[in-house]
Amino acid sequence: SQTIHQWPATLVQPVGSPLSLECTVEGTSNPNLYWYRQAAGRGLQLLFYSVGIGQISSEVPQNLSASRPQDRQFILSSKKLLLSDSGFYLCAWMAGGADTQYFGPGTRLTVL
Amino acid sequence: SQQGEEDPQALSIQEGENATMNCSYKTSINNLQWYRQNSGRGLVHLILIRSNEREKHSGRLRVTLDTSKKSSSLLITASRAADTASYFCATAFGGTSYGKLTFGQGTILTVHP
Repeated sequence: SQTIHQWPATLVQPVGSPLSLECTVEGTSNPNLYWYRQAAGRGLQLLFYSVGIGQISSEVPQNLSASRPQDRQFILSSKKLLLSDSGFYLCAWMAGGADTQYFGPGTRLTVL
Repeated sequence: SQQGEEDPQALSIQEGENATMNCSYKTSINNLQWYRQNSGRGLVHLILIRSNEREKHSGRLRVTLDTSKKSSSLLITASRAADTASYFCATAFGGTSYGKLTFGQGTILTVHP
C-alpha cells in the first residue's frame, strides 16, 4: 500500500532563516505531487505541483520554492522566511490519470 | 482565488442528527470531491462525484451535485461524535490541469455526544 510522509511535524523558525520541508511517498511510481499551505481556519492554497522529476509548476508567486530531486521526493524550501510564511503545509500525491489526492500528516511552521 | 464557497462555516449538532454542508463553485468542473480534516491533521478523501453524476452514496455519506446551479451538498446521516472535523469541498477541472484541486474554505462540524 502507499504511504506519504512529511517531516518535520512541527517547526519554529526565526524570520530570515532558511527552510526545508520534505515529503516522500512510498509504494507508487511517478506520482503527481503537490504542496499546499493552509492558514488557520482557512482552506488549502495550492503552492506547487510536479508531474515528474525536475518538473515544478508554481501556482502562487511567493517566497518559497519547490524541488523534486527523486521520483517520490518533494521538497519545499525558502532562503529567507517571512512572518507570512507561517502556516500548516501539506503534501499530497496522486497517481497519474487518477482523480483522488492523498495527503500527508502536514508540517506546522511558525515563523517568529 | 478560491473556487468553492462552503456553507455554513460552522455547524453544531447532537449525535444521531443529520448534518448537511453545501458547496458552491464558479466555473465548469470535471469532478467535485469532499475531504475531511481532523484538527491539526492531513486531509482524508471521502467521496468523489463526477460532473455527469447527480448523486452518490458511501456508507452514511450522501453527495449531490447540481451542475446547473454549480453547487453540491454533503449529507452525513446519523452523525457520531467521531464525525467532528472540518469538511472541505474541492473541484477539479480535468483536461491538462494535472489533477489540481481548488478547495473551499470548509465547514467546521461539531457533533455533541
